[in-house]
Amino acid sequence: GAGVSQSPSNKVTEKGKDVELRCDPISGHTALYWYRQSLGQGLEFLIYFQGNSAPDKSGLPSDRFSAERTGGSVSTLTIQRTQQEDSAVYLCASSLVPGLSTDTQYFGPGTRLTVL
Amino acid sequence: GNSVTQMEGPVTLSEEAFLTINCTYTATGYPSLFWYVQYPGEGLQLLLKATKADDKGSNKGFEATYRKETTSFHLEKGSVQVSDSAVYFCALSEGTSGTYKYIFGTGTRLKVLA
Repeated sequence: GAGVSQSPSNKVTEKGKDVELRCDPISGHTALYWYRQSLGQGLEFLIYFQGNSAPDKSGLPSDRFSAERTGGSVSTLTIQRTQQEDSAVYLCASSLVPGLSTDTQYFGPGTRLTVL
Repeated sequence: GNSVTQMEGPVTLSEEAFLTINCTYTATGYPSLFWYVQYPGEGLQLLLKATKADDKGSNKGFEATYRKETTSFHLEKGSVQVSDSAVYFCALSEGTSGTYKYIFGTGTRLKVLA
C-alpha cells in the first residue's frame, strides 16, 4: 500500500476486555515500531520489530501488553484485561532499513482506544 | 539515557510572524534528529531531518540545523501561515542500545492567527 495503515481507527471497550490492534506497514519495510500517544505521557515507544523478531520490547508497560509480527509484514498489538489507563492513541510506524538511525519512520493514522 | 526537551506551548503567532520552536537533546552516541508535524485530526508526518552535525534540514519553508556543540535542533520558519497551525514534535533516533526507536519531545502546539 501507499502508506502505513492501522485498524480499527477507533475502539471503545469495557474495562477487563481484551483488544487487538492491527498494523499494516509499507510494503518492503523491514522495521516496525509501536508507540503510544497519551495526554499525560506524550509519545512513548512500546516495541520494535526487525522482521518477525522483537529485539526491543522495553517500552511495553506491563505483561498485559504483547505484540507479534508475521510474515515480516502485519503486526498485531494485543492488550489483555484492559484498564482505563490504557486509553490512548496507539501508533504504528515502519522504516525501510533496520539498524540505521538515519532511516525515517513513517507513521500510520493511529488507533484511538477508549476503555470505559 | 537519551532525552529530548522541547519548549512548552502553546505558541500563538500572527500570520507572517517569525517562528522558533526550541529543541535540545541528550544522547550517548551520534543521533539523527527529526521534526514531525501533526495537523489537526491527522497522523504524524515527517517535516525534516538531519543526520549529522552541522546538517540543515529544510522543508515547506521550515529549517533546523543540527548543532552538536549546543545539542540543539531548533525549528524555524521566517513567515508562518494559518495552515501551519499544528503540533510539532522533535525526536531523536540513536542506536547504541540496538534499537532505533524514536525518543520524542512533548510536542509544541502552534496556533497561527489570520
